[in-house]
Amino acid sequence: GAGVSQSPSNKVTEKGKDVELRCDPISGHTALYWYRQSLGQGLEFLIYFQGNSAPDKSGLPSDRFSAERTGGSVSTLTIQRTQQEDSAVYLCASSLRLAGGQEQYFGPGTRLTVT
Amino acid sequence: GNSVTQMEGPVTLSEEAFLTINCTYTATGYPSLFWYVQYPGEGLQLLLKATKADDKGSNKGFEATYRKETTSFHLEKGSVQVSDSAVYFCALSDYSGNTPLVFGKGTRLSVIA
Repeated sequence: GAGVSQSPSNKVTEKGKDVELRCDPISGHTALYWYRQSLGQGLEFLIYFQGNSAPDKSGLPSDRFSAERTGGSVSTLTIQRTQQEDSAVYLCASSLRLAGGQEQYFGPGTRLTVT
Repeated sequence: GNSVTQMEGPVTLSEEAFLTINCTYTATGYPSLFWYVQYPGEGLQLLLKATKADDKGSNKGFEATYRKETTSFHLEKGSVQVSDSAVYFCALSDYSGNTPLVFGKGTRLSVIA
């Protein structure tokens, strides 16, 4: 079956512009996660959604970052007024449910470059 | 809070050498432990996992044993191949499921023929 898909695969934007990154999780997966992978920082958690519960936004680095998940499926991560330090690969993952032993399935990522 | 520490790379080995990548963790309760792998140009994928103490996860010749007494989950392979060249990430998640994955910083492995 289809895996997690993300779009665009690459995004170059000018400093100060807003960007939207999209994630389409595996059908039937109720938990969806966003991570950021940057050189020297490894993988850091940003936000997750579980079903209809309020998202856990504790990893968002600033109020310029926000995310929503519509209809319990597709999610959009929005970065407003982008800065050069936002350049990274943004990864989306989904799992069947939010539980400790669940495998998370990752998408290919969106590489964001802020010039 | 929960954290994962893994050995820093890069690690360069000759084909058929023995591999160990160390991983230790700090967590409350009883986390689940994972190794993820990222091959060049590809996304992260689960390599193996263990959900309770003394469990051994294994896949593709790789093994890791959940050691609660030493809070470790070291990755081992007896004979590496060039195709094992990748970045390896150790990770944990809270058993209750109230936290997402916490990753180590990754270890880049290069295997040369």
